[in-house]
Amino acid sequence: DSGVTQTPKHLITATGQRVTLRCSPRSGDLSVYWYQQSLDQGLQFLIQYYNGEERAKGNILERFSAQQFPDLHSELNLSSLELGDSALYFCASSTNRGQNVLNEQFFGPGTRLTVL
Amino acid sequence: AQSVSQHNHHVILSEAASLELGCNYSYGGTVNLFWYVQYPGQHLQLLLKYFSGDPLVKGIKGFEAEFIKSKFSFNLRKPSVQWSDTAEYFCAVNPGGYNKLIFGAGTRLAVHP
Repeated sequence: DSGVTQTPKHLITATGQRVTLRCSPRSGDLSVYWYQQSLDQGLQFLIQYYNGEERAKGNILERFSAQQFPDLHSELNLSSLELGDSALYFCASSTNRGQNVLNEQFFGPGTRLTVL
Repeated sequence: AQSVSQHNHHVILSEAASLELGCNYSYGGTVNLFWYVQYPGQHLQLLLKYFSGDPLVKGIKGFEAEFIKSKFSFNLRKPSVQWSDTAEYFCAVNPGGYNKLIFGAGTRLAVHP
């Protein structure tokens, strides 16, 4: 158990819908990262938040957005869902108190999203 | 663009065989390197990491990796695999102090008893 929790574990929805994935980081971790794992794209970095502010952006679609709340949990919002959005979405957290400080990322169990 | 290449997508070994999984990255500056393992149905777990210093790093469960800067490589090794090592292995790079991880495509390892 990494200490990072994600809900829900599984999500099945239809095209065009909107879903929200939730992540709670390890106690004391300020940074949250979102990754998408799909068969064709592999593991791709989506976005990072640090202490409530967006820190880095990766291959995140405009239909996707995220935020980090004052209690440091994060939500990833996926809208206008398409079949190709079906994937495993991982959240990771690290203590990370500065951009150049190296910290290990601890991964959550993931949310498996299926878009029908 | 920064990228990570893992040469073998599928590897099948018998128990007690030696393992070496290749990983090459493309980034000219300072990098931090990681190997993660994903057991069936589980989350990613860190096997080992390289930040600086001794290029031969030892991780958990008998794994080790060697950073060869001139070859932009960070290959994972284990002298004798076990059935419980059956999993998918991911090499990842954290380029230039930025905190995102760039992952390779992964290598699925199947170990037969």
